[in-house]
Order: sequence, then C-alpha cells, then structure tokens
Amino acid sequence: DGGITQSPKYLFRKEGQNVTLSCEQNLNHDAMYWYRQDPGQGLRLIYYSQIVNDFQKGDIAEGYSVSREKKESFPLTVTSAQKNPTAFYLCASSIPTGIPGNTIYFGEGSWLTVV
Amino acid sequence: DAKTTQPNSMESNEEEPVHLPCNHSTISGTDYIHWYRQLPSQGPEYVIHGLTSNVNNRMASLAIAEDRKSSTLILHRATLRDAAVYYCILRDRAGDGGSQGNLIFGKGTKLSVKP
Repeated sequence: DGGITQSPKYLFRKEGQNVTLSCEQNLNHDAMYWYRQDPGQGLRLIYYSQIVNDFQKGDIAEGYSVSREKKESFPLTVTSAQKNPTAFYLCASSIPTGIPGNTIYFGEGSWLTVV
Repeated sequence: DAKTTQPNSMESNEEEPVHLPCNHSTISGTDYIHWYRQLPSQGPEYVIHGLTSNVNNRMASLAIAEDRKSSTLILHRATLRDAAVYYCILRDRAGDGGSQGNLIFGKGTKLSVKP
C-alpha cells in the first residue's frame, strides 16, 4: 500500500545529542514537509521541500536540519541547538504545491523525548 | 496568512449530526478551505476541502458561506470513531514566495462523542 512511513515511533535523546527522524514515502509525491506538535497545540511547520535537492525553512527551523537527496526520503535531524526538542514530529507529503486544492498526506508521527 | 477561528471543543451524542463551525473572515479569493482531523497520537487525516460550492464525500459535508468568510463541517451521524481534533485550514496561495501552498494549522476543535 502507498503511504508515508516514519521511524522510529518513539525516540529518546540525551542532552547535547543530535538525532535523526526518518521519513519515507512511496506516493511519488514531489513535496514533503516536517511539522512539530506540542501537547494540546496545533502543528507548526519546520521545513518543507518541493523538489529533490531543494528545501525551505518553515516557521520554526532553528535547531533543525533536513536533506532531500531522494524523492522518497526527507530525514529530519534534531540538533543539540534545539533547546526544547521534546514533541511529536509529523512528516507529510503532497503532489507539487502550486495547486492549492491539493491534499496533504501525513505519517503516523514520531515521539521525541529528551532525557 | 489568512487565519481561521474555531471553538476549542464541542460535544455530540452518538448517531446525531454534528456541525463544526469555522470563521475565516480574511480569506483570499483563491484560498481553498481544507478540513483535517487528528486522532490521539496519530497524524492528521484529510476530511474534505472546497473553494466556493458546498461539497460532499463519504466522510462529511462542507457548507461554505456565500461570502466565504465562514464554513461548517457536517458529520451526518457521529460515531465514537469520529472523536478527534478537527482542523479548519486555509491553503496558502501558491507562488507567493512564502510557504507556497503549505497548510497552517491552528489548535482546532476537539470533538467528544458520547455513547
């Protein structure tokens, strides 16, 4: 079945460590996104990519980095510079932005906790 | 970016219709109105979207005001599985050099369904 796969589902990070969250999609979508969600809050955009080898900062990119070397993959690295990384992270994809009616498909999310 | 306003929470009885309101008084002429819902610890799921006319699909109906400054998501017969946070979102206009079609999520409406 086509979809978006995020891994791991749960991840613990020690202070000062970088961690990478994986996101893979087999929907043949050009655009991919990373969102962060804090408890009881809405989603906030971290980074997005409209095409391979290109990505743009979202509203809260500080302390995060991404790469888009393949169409199917958009990994997110949470660096030690991110002071409050504990949150629920969601990856999503869609056919190219530029068509506002497009729907976006989300993965199941990854929980990151700082210990 | 155009924003939306939704009630924080609503309650419904099982098997009864539910009307979830959304105000978007600053909507632009070509902004689409999207609705997503999110179950606990899962990624958001697409529900429905529309531009000007009312829309129906297997999940719900979307009623859009004539001036497009408000809309209502209608669940015709609520079930326990419909208990979720419902987000009303305006899709950014494409090509404006900003987030180009990305979804901007607010806090949504938490729908509780009583048996």
